[in-house]
Amino acid sequence: GAGVSQSPRYKVAKRGQDVALRCDPISGHVSLFWYQQALGQGPEFLTYFQNEAQLDKSGLPSDRFFAERPEGSVSTLKIQRTQQEDSAVYLCASSGTSGGRNEQFFGPGTRLTVL
Amino acid sequence: GQNIDQPTEMTATEGAIVQINCTYQTSGFNGLFWYQQHAGEAPTFLSYNVLDGLEEKGRFSSFLSRSKGYSYLLLKELQMKDSASYLCAVRETDKLIFGTGTRLQVFP
Repeated sequence: GAGVSQSPRYKVAKRGQDVALRCDPISGHVSLFWYQQALGQGPEFLTYFQNEAQLDKSGLPSDRFFAERPEGSVSTLKIQRTQQEDSAVYLCASSGTSGGRNEQFFGPGTRLTVL
Repeated sequence: GQNIDQPTEMTATEGAIVQINCTYQTSGFNGLFWYQQHAGEAPTFLSYNVLDGLEEKGRFSSFLSRSKGYSYLLLKELQMKDSASYLCAVRETDKLIFGTGTRLQVFP
């Protein structure tokens, strides 16, 4: 069955460039999450959508980071004026309705390298 | 503040049993998850605890004590393919707060 997919899988950007990372969640999943994972670390929460509503963006590190999910399905994480410290793997996860176990299913991630 | 602690690295022998501990201090608690992550791959769900006690699923078991802010993941009959990072995560409302992960190496 189709899981969470992300594109591109790898992205190299020059410092100062804008990048856009795409996430296709599991069909029908209401909740969508973005995490940032630095090398050798656990994922860190960035932002969360329920359908098209962005309910929590407390983890976005600066106003250069912006996420959207306009139709409640596909989501895009945009990073403007990339900096070297933005280099990381960006993971997207989706889950069904709230309550109970409701585990998050993760995509393979986009590895961003900023030169 | 929020803090989730787990050992950075562990080693074990094929066929053995290993226990990976996790302690947490978070502002909210809505369940504790363990995920497995092979290098360069997505985290995959292993177990979920929301009530105190032991949850067993095949070779994997997970334990939770909410009063102590403590969990462990027990892996039995270790196989080479179990070499991976194991991530402890607390769910706060909806988002997951992860520890740094424990990198487990299984040797023949």
